Amino acid sequence: KNEVEQSPQNLTAQEGEFITINCSYSVGISALHWLQQHPGGGIVSLFMLSSGKKKHGRLIATINIQEKHSSLHITASHPRDSAVYICAVYPYNTDKLIFGTGTRLQVFP
Amino acid sequence: KAGVTQTPRYLIKTRGQQVTLSCSPISGHRSVSWYQQTPGQGLQFLFEYFSETQRNKGNFPGRFSGRQFSNSRSEMNVSTLELGDSALYLCASTAGEAGELFFGEGSRLTVL
Repeated sequence: KNEVEQSPQNLTAQEGEFITINCSYSVGISALHWLQQHPGGGIVSLFMLSSGKKKHGRLIATINIQEKHSSLHITASHPRDSAVYICAVYPYNTDKLIFGTGTRLQVFP
Repeated sequence: KAGVTQTPRYLIKTRGQQVTLSCSPISGHRSVSWYQQTPGQGLQFLFEYFSETQRNKGNFPGRFSGRQFSNSRSEMNVSTLELGDSALYLCASTAGEAGELFFGEGSRLTVL
């Protein structure tokens, strides 16, 4: 079993829909990243969380440390949000990032 | 502020050769980490350097090595290339421990 699990693996949506991507992990962590990867490979860090909730534009990320769970929400989704979203965690006392397998999101106009 | 620069962007090698990839971090960032991305295994951590010292290493064979220079630029080397080493190799820099990551565009290696 992977230490970081994401769901769903694939997600399609119509423009304007509210999107939720989930990440569950099995190790104690110091921080969690949400990353976005567009076709072609470049990765952008969206959020780094160690507790609570963060918001940036239409993106919201939450984390529940006790339940070892994080969610990424996209409000009013747009075709340009189409990408792979990857959850990654820093286990305690290490900078070895462990990655989830990613969620492929396609938003259609 | 310039981003993380990786060179070369694309390269083709044959089995048994060796390859060196370069990563220039954002100015002022002292930590550089390397990752391998393949369709089968996804993203995997290779190693992390801070102030010229390797602090962490992932579960890769000794054919994979790296180093960091005094200007924080980093190189990784893969010797005796195998077909399975074909991948996108990404590096990221950060200002401090467990900080926000800034990724380069990657070096796409094809081993024939």
